[in-house]
Amino acid sequence: QLLQSGAEVKPPGATVKIPCKVSGYSLSDYHMHWVQQAPGKGLEWVGLLVPEDGKTIYAEKFQGRVTITADTSTDTAYLEVRRLRSEDTAVYYCATATGTDAFDIWGQGTMVTVSS
Amino acid sequence: EIVLTQSPVTLSLSPGESATLSCRASQFISSRHLAWYQQKPGQAPRLLIYGASGRATGIPDRFSGSGSGTDFTLTISRLEPEDFAVYYCQQYATSFTFGPGTTVDIK
Repeated sequence: QLLQSGAEVKPPGATVKIPCKVSGYSLSDYHMHWVQQAPGKGLEWVGLLVPEDGKTIYAEKFQGRVTITADTSTDTAYLEVRRLRSEDTAVYYCATATGTDAFDIWGQGTMVTVSS
Repeated sequence: EIVLTQSPVTLSLSPGESATLSCRASQFISSRHLAWYQQKPGQAPRLLIYGASGRATGIPDRFSGSGSGTDFTLTISRLEPEDFAVYYCQQYATSFTFGPGTTVDIK
């Protein structure tokens, strides 16, 4: 399973780093994805990390302002979002694809609120 | 970027009825790379269908997926009370994109 923290509140312009801990298998086993869901809105793919080589791919919308990293010693992946603005207020999910490339395991989500 | 369009936006049905949800892609997608998810309020999405027609582990057989090319369908036969939710399609052929969702609510 994927374990995420509950919530973060940050002022505009700040940086947030959201953890996602893997439990029951190794972080290195599968690609790690992040998905954004703004309040009342749909799902938007943010990016992915290939843990075995650290390669990352980001959606164009988020390129340059987010970074996905992994700490294989603690089986924890991270999504960092910089220069936060109100539009970044959302639930951020981590997810993996353990069989086909569809996302079959999801974390419970971390709510990030950007507010002064 | 492959854009997914879902219809209808909202489907109002009664328990026991069948639901047919549509997902249309802006360009050809291999059926191996189309998935459907269910999301209930306050919960993470749950994978229902992968590869257009494969049921994920633990998914009841009243859920079925079909389609190819640019047109895909999720069918829910005999709606149960727990099936009222939002449904998203996703393509993972070229990068990853989700459709805007279809809400299935109780009539």
